[in-house]
Amino acid sequence: AQTVTQSQPEMSVQEAETVTLSCTYDTSESDYYLFWYKQPPSRQMILVIRQEAYKQQNATENRFSVNFQKAAKSFSLKISDSQLGDAAMYFCAYRSTPESGGGADGLTFGKGTHLIIQP
Amino acid sequence: NAGVTQTPKFRILKIGQSMTLQCTQDMNHNYMYWYRQDPGMGLKLIYYSVGAGITDKGEVPNGYNVSRSTTEDFPLRLELAAPSQTSVYFCASKGSGGSGNTIYFGEGSWLTVV
Repeated sequence: AQTVTQSQPEMSVQEAETVTLSCTYDTSESDYYLFWYKQPPSRQMILVIRQEAYKQQNATENRFSVNFQKAAKSFSLKISDSQLGDAAMYFCAYRSTPESGGGADGLTFGKGTHLIIQP
Repeated sequence: NAGVTQTPKFRILKIGQSMTLQCTQDMNHNYMYWYRQDPGMGLKLIYYSVGAGITDKGEVPNGYNVSRSTTEDFPLRLELAAPSQTSVYFCASKGSGGSGNTIYFGEGSWLTVV
């Protein structure tokens, strides 16, 4: 079974600064998907960014980018120009691909990192 | 843009009572999921379905049942509520093929068992 570890229960950053959230995972599969989800106090799960493991290029979405290190099984999220609206819980998640037989059984989540934005 | 809709959003149950959390999606997705999120934790998979008439257990299925009579609906049943089932429940769905790598979540249902 796959596991996802987020070693930072809480992070704090000044508004407009850059912050990096860490995520490591354990798997024996060669192809898979990785995700970062944002969960504000409303508890809604919002997809921030996703990465296909077969792609070497790191995914970017506006101020959000990832550093995907497949050999190290690391998938960190960088938030540039932090804004007050970025304050939330951030969850790293793993999912197998359909070809590896795991496409039906959903996401495996880390425990989350609580991001605080200081004005 | 309805997406994934869950009802009710909030519910208080007494120990031993039963209830059903409703979930419906209008994206014609084959895959549907139920997760629970306990305080300070990530989401854990309860049950999932790969299509109408097919369901399977996830990581934490005990105390729950599901059915999938249509593509759109995936209700979650709690038969004998226990305090350990106090949690936030999320329904989610996913399509197949090229768009099949993103899971869409409902807004969550807050359940308290007292």
